[in-house]
Amino acid sequence: NAGVTQTPKFQVLKTGQSMTLQCAQDMNHEYMSWYRQDPGMGLRLIHYSVGAGITDQGEVPNGYNVSRSTTEDFPLRLLSAAPSQTSVYFCASTRVPGANVLTFGAGSRLTVL
Amino acid sequence: AQRVTQPEKLLSVFKGAPVELKCNYSYSGSPELFWYVQYSRQRLQLLLRHISRESIKGFTADLNKGETSFHLKKPFAQEEDSAMYYCALKGFGNEKLTFGTGTRLTIIP
Repeated sequence: NAGVTQTPKFQVLKTGQSMTLQCAQDMNHEYMSWYRQDPGMGLRLIHYSVGAGITDQGEVPNGYNVSRSTTEDFPLRLLSAAPSQTSVYFCASTRVPGANVLTFGAGSRLTVL
Repeated sequence: AQRVTQPEKLLSVFKGAPVELKCNYSYSGSPELFWYVQYSRQRLQLLLRHISRESIKGFTADLNKGETSFHLKKPFAQEEDSAMYYCALKGFGNEKLTFGTGTRLTIIP
């Protein structure tokens, strides 16, 4: 049982490049979400999904796209990376929407030059 | 809107001394409050939640609706308590969890 798996762990991009952060969970969780962690700003919700085919915006969605074609996967896409997107990204899931306890991935550290 | 405030970015406490990490929230309805912890090189994980009213690793937190606070307390700090602590809030009927800015706790041996 792997839990929540994020890839890659580290990535360096140039401004304007695109990339996808992968998130997969094997717990049959309906709810999945992406947060970014920045010093002094805490964890801020980017996008979330309450089930396959359903996504919604969080607190800081600009510059990011998501899709949820399967229950297991919830990729986060940066279409044109900017230095302001330098951050640590966490994927988190829970069994049903509204359930209390989030299971977090190990994080993906992204640097945009 | 729901908001969580952790006024201390950094907190240093001597081993054996009491610890209190402050958390205040803003929410018009009935909130659910949580403390999450991130130890060095480990994943963010749930420490405790107010509905459980339990003590985890010696930590307790009481929801004070009058003061809109959910402070985390431990009577005697241990070195292994050094970590990043996040207070979080979920509104009633809301899927989203809102986190505070976090407090980095350092226990001085």
